[in-house]
Amino acid sequence: DAGVTQSPTHLIKTRGQQVTLRCSPKSGHDTVSWYQQALGQGPQFIFQYYEEEERQRGNFPDRFSGHQFPNYSSELNVNALLLGDSALYLCACRLSGFEQYFGAGTRFTVT
Amino acid sequence: QQPVQSPQAVILREGEDAVINCSSSKALYSVHWYRQKHGEAPVFLMILLKGGEQKGHEKISASFNEKKQQSSLYLTASQLSYSGTYFCGTETLGTGANSKLTFGKGITLSVRP
Repeated sequence: DAGVTQSPTHLIKTRGQQVTLRCSPKSGHDTVSWYQQALGQGPQFIFQYYEEEERQRGNFPDRFSGHQFPNYSSELNVNALLLGDSALYLCACRLSGFEQYFGAGTRFTVT
Repeated sequence: QQPVQSPQAVILREGEDAVINCSSSKALYSVHWYRQKHGEAPVFLMILLKGGEQKGHEKISASFNEKKQQSSLYLTASQLSYSGTYFCGTETLGTGANSKLTFGKGITLSVRP
C-alpha cells in the first residue's frame, strides 16, 4: 500500500507566476487536506477536499485553490505568487474519524 | 485558535523520560500527535478521541483530559531516534469528525547519547 505521494518535491517559481502541486493519497483515503508550513512553525490548514468538493477552508486568500479527482487525488493551485508563499506545502489524507497521514511535501520557493 | 504546547524545548539523555503537553481553549473532539524531523514530513504518532478511544504506536503513550482540554505525550526510555519537533493538532468539538487540524508551534526535543 503506497503512502501519500506528492509532486514535485522541490520547485522554484518567479513572483507573479502560477503553480500547481499534486497529491496522491493512500489507497482508499477519501479526504485530502493541504497545509502550508513556514520554517519553524506548525502546519497551517489551507483547505480540505472530500467527494470532489472543498469542505473547509482556512485563512488563505482566493489565490489558493484546489481540486479533487474521482480517484481522490488532489491538486493545489496558487496564482499571482508572492515571496511570502515560499514554504513547505504538505498534503494529508485520512479516512473519516481516523488518523491523518502526511506526504513528504513540496518545498516551494518564490524568487 | 492555535493550541499551546509546552515546554518549548526539551533536552534529554538517552534512556530518560519526558512529558510534553498540548492545551486548547476550545472544547476538543480529538488530539493528534506528530513528530517531524528536519526536512521531513510530520509522522503520525497518536490520536486521542473524546470518550477515551486512542490509537497509536506501541511505544508511545498519551493522555487526553477532556475536562481541561489538555493532552500529554509520554516518552519513556528515550532513544536517539526520538529527536525531532513534536506537534499536536486539534479538532474542535462541534465541527464534525473529519474536521481540519489546528497545529501548535511545536516542541523541539533533543536526545543526546
